[in-house]
Amino acid sequence: QVQLVQSGAEVKKPGASVKVSCKASGYSFTGYSMHWMRQAPGQGLEWMGWINPNSGGTNYAQKFQGRVTMTRDTSISTAYMELSRLRSDDTAVYYCAREYSTSWPFDYWGQGTLVTVSS
Amino acid sequence: QSVLTQPPSASGTPGQRVTISCSGSSSNIGSNTVNWYQQLPGTAPKLLIYSNSQRPSGVPDRFSGSKSGTSASLAISGLQSEDETDYYCAAWDDSLTSWVFGGGTKLTVL
Repeated sequence: QVQLVQSGAEVKKPGASVKVSCKASGYSFTGYSMHWMRQAPGQGLEWMGWINPNSGGTNYAQKFQGRVTMTRDTSISTAYMELSRLRSDDTAVYYCAREYSTSWPFDYWGQGTLVTVSS
Repeated sequence: QSVLTQPPSASGTPGQRVTISCSGSSSNIGSNTVNWYQQLPGTAPKLLIYSNSQRPSGVPDRFSGSKSGTSASLAISGLQSEDETDYYCAAWDDSLTSWVFGGGTKLTVL
């Protein structure tokens, strides 16, 4: 069965970077785009961008351009999301989610990774 | 402010039918399909409806979706206590070249 397993919670200081991993299993990793979303405490969902695991091509939301980098390692079926120059308002749960197709997006989600930014 | 607009709350009694609306614009709902997600407390969102009205395998047929113009709706019939949670709509926005979400609707089963 399809599973997306994310790395554990992180605590970072303002100005630092964080790298969250998302290990896929149960399907062909290179066959489906992977998206990243986040959800601040008590808030709604916010899309950050996606990576094509086959080509490595990326598309980032304008808000995160210059601060986010999405990469992948096809040998271990793992996608990564790195966010730099962290601020307190980056405190959120970060999710990876698979896109089955453009009309069937985010069909499977990781369990989420809490990133806390605090001095 | 979310690009897609949902009511912050909705409510109904067991067995009742409730609807949750999602309003957008010509650049998102008006030109692309709408998807709905259910999020139980402390868990990741779960795909409920895709492509306006399609249910993934395993989603009860009590849940249905529709779209008209720049608005969409999620309907839940035969309301059950376990339906009490948060619901989000989402669509691709051609102008922003970004996926956009509604702010979420908290459904209460009275």
